[in-house]
Amino acid sequence: QVQLVQSGAEVKKPGSSVKVSCEASGGTFSSSFISWVRQAPGQGLECMGRIVPMFGTTNYVQKFQGRLTITADDSTNTAYMELSSLTSDDTAVYYCAREGTATGAGTFDSWGQGTLVTVSS
Amino acid sequence: DIQMTQSPSFVSASVGDRVTITCRASQGISSWLAWYQQKPGRAPNLLIFAASTLQNGVPSRFSGSGSGTDFTLTISSLQPEDFATYYCQQSNSFPFTFGPGTKVDIK
Repeated sequence: QVQLVQSGAEVKKPGSSVKVSCEASGGTFSSSFISWVRQAPGQGLECMGRIVPMFGTTNYVQKFQGRLTITADDSTNTAYMELSSLTSDDTAVYYCAREGTATGAGTFDSWGQGTLVTVSS
Repeated sequence: DIQMTQSPSFVSASVGDRVTITCRASQGISSWLAWYQQKPGRAPNLLIFAASTLQNGVPSRFSGSGSGTDFTLTISSLQPEDFATYYCQQSNSFPFTFGPGTKVDIK
């Protein structure tokens, strides 16, 4: 099963941007969908968007359209999530997750450890 | 977007108890339903996909059922390591959406 390792915690000012990385090892990456899911403190899970690294194909949740950019570097097995125009409502743990091949599209069989992004002035 | 609801939002149970959590989708999703377990400070962990298929390595005390709009997760005999929050998630159509979660706590 693929292992996903994310970059470290970030503290950002309102109005700025954050970029989180997710490096994969040990399994299928480039031909799988890699999704980004966030979880605000004490809250539930929220899908943001996804990418197929091999093709660069992306899907974004409408709520984040215009300020979310998901990219991938197939040569380094790394996906990136960049969120701009940050507000305090964006304070959350951000997870990358792989949509499994055996489990079907949209089902997340591997997760990164999570990256806490804190937006504070 | 498909809305997911869960009930109850909180369960207080003892080791050995049978626990049942229900999940409802706002529209039919066939069997495109997954269940995840999340412990504090940890990423979610896939338990069941396609409504009733157990993920590799997940104990057989976990089971799932349902199709269409109504689904159930059952833990047949609660173990100490099962105290966690459980989320359902539809994978029928993007954007994939999660239920609000059910916290299983120690009685």
